[in-house]
Amino acid sequence: GQQVMQIPQYQHVQEGEDFTTYCNSSTTLSNIQWYKQRPGGHPVFLIQLVKSGEVKKQKRLTFQFGEAKKNSSLHITATQTTDVGTYFCAGSSGGGADGLTFGKGTHLIIQP
Amino acid sequence: DVKVTQSSRYLVKRTGEKVFLECVQDMDHENMFWYRQDPGLGLRLIYFSYDVKMKEKGDIPEGYSVSREKKERFSLILESASTNQTSMYLCASSFSYHNQPQHFGDGTRLSIL
Repeated sequence: GQQVMQIPQYQHVQEGEDFTTYCNSSTTLSNIQWYKQRPGGHPVFLIQLVKSGEVKKQKRLTFQFGEAKKNSSLHITATQTTDVGTYFCAGSSGGGADGLTFGKGTHLIIQP
Repeated sequence: DVKVTQSSRYLVKRTGEKVFLECVQDMDHENMFWYRQDPGLGLRLIYFSYDVKMKEKGDIPEGYSVSREKKERFSLILESASTNQTSMYLCASSFSYHNQPQHFGDGTRLSIL
């Protein structure tokens, strides 16, 4: 079955440093979604990428979808304490009602 | 605003009990999902449903069943609870077309003693 691998599992950064998490799929994806889960909270949708090579920005967050549609990244510039949480990528190979396959997530820990 | 409500935030049950976890969404979504979340393992899909009375197995369906009698409600059933089913259970829902984003409930932390 489809596998989505995400690295690193944990990332410690000083406040103000940049952060990147990477996502790789064993199969070509039709789309990839990114979610953020704050400590004690539930995953919240951030963004969806659909096109090969697509880049989207949300303030300090930059999302990329690879040319082959098998990998993706999330980059945060100048981290803030509010960025703390776990970031999940989730991919789908189909366009129908299939469940997403989630990566195991990257826990971002920020040291003030 | 989008709302997915899970019936309990915390639940403690005993081994062998039949356990029901309830989820209700108010967004008229076609799709509903049940995940379990464990440290180091991320979110794993148990079952999902794309229509009333329809269900599909996810990655880890063993030991679980589901029921969807109404569009807004999706129930997860542990037929005979075991200690290895102690986990955080998350319900989600979405529209059915073009892989729409999933909206999650707050989760139920289930402990099986």
